[in-house]
Amino acid sequence: DILMTQSPATLSVSPGERAALSCRASQSINNNLAWYQQKPGQSPRLLIYSASTRATGIPLRFSGSGSGTEFTLTISSLQSEDFAVYYCQQYDNWPPYTFGQGTKLEIK
Amino acid sequence: QIQLVQSGSEVGKPGASVKVSCKASGYSLTDYVLHWVRQAPGQGLEWMGWINTNTGHPTYAQGFTGRFVFSLDTSVNTAYLQITSLKPEDNGLYYCAKPKRTVYRGSYYYYMDVWGTGTTVTVS
Repeated sequence: DILMTQSPATLSVSPGERAALSCRASQSINNNLAWYQQKPGQSPRLLIYSASTRATGIPLRFSGSGSGTEFTLTISSLQSEDFAVYYCQQYDNWPPYTFGQGTKLEIK
Repeated sequence: QIQLVQSGSEVGKPGASVKVSCKASGYSLTDYVLHWVRQAPGQGLEWMGWINTNTGHPTYAQGFTGRFVFSLDTSVNTAYLQITSLKPEDNGLYYCAKPKRTVYRGSYYYYMDVWGTGTTVTVS
């Protein structure tokens, strides 16, 4: 199984600042990586697929990059509604689909 | 608009069974396979498996064999997850999710683009 490792576990950033979340795969997953946002009491919401393609309706401040084993989700100017937990997921080699353990983005 | 609406919450005693529903709207359930994902309290996301919505054939991830059953009722465009012989470790949120296809270097890959509303299962 492909192990997905996210860092840091918690990231404290002030509104208006930039946040960079990291995701690493235990083997190459090409660009078959998705990012999801989950707010308390809500279902996961797709943000990015194919490592860098924004899903429908996702603001431009969200961007994804990377390929192979190293990936980054960048939020360029944090808004209050962006503070949430973010998960990466590989869909290159399944079963099983595997997720990272999540990064909690909190207000500094 | 494509939506997956799940039953709100299910409660069962240890050893009993619960059945979670996932009703698709805005598309035919048989157009795509359906995945199930668990989220234990305060934890991350764990893929449970998927069901072929054309044949009804389920595939379970390791750790979800034996007590977990995926099924369908295509007449009402609804998928089900039944958990039998409930254990305390079954407490959590359960999501259904629809895949979407993408292409990379000529091969097809599938990520989850629409997630259900989530069902809380409580063993008590």
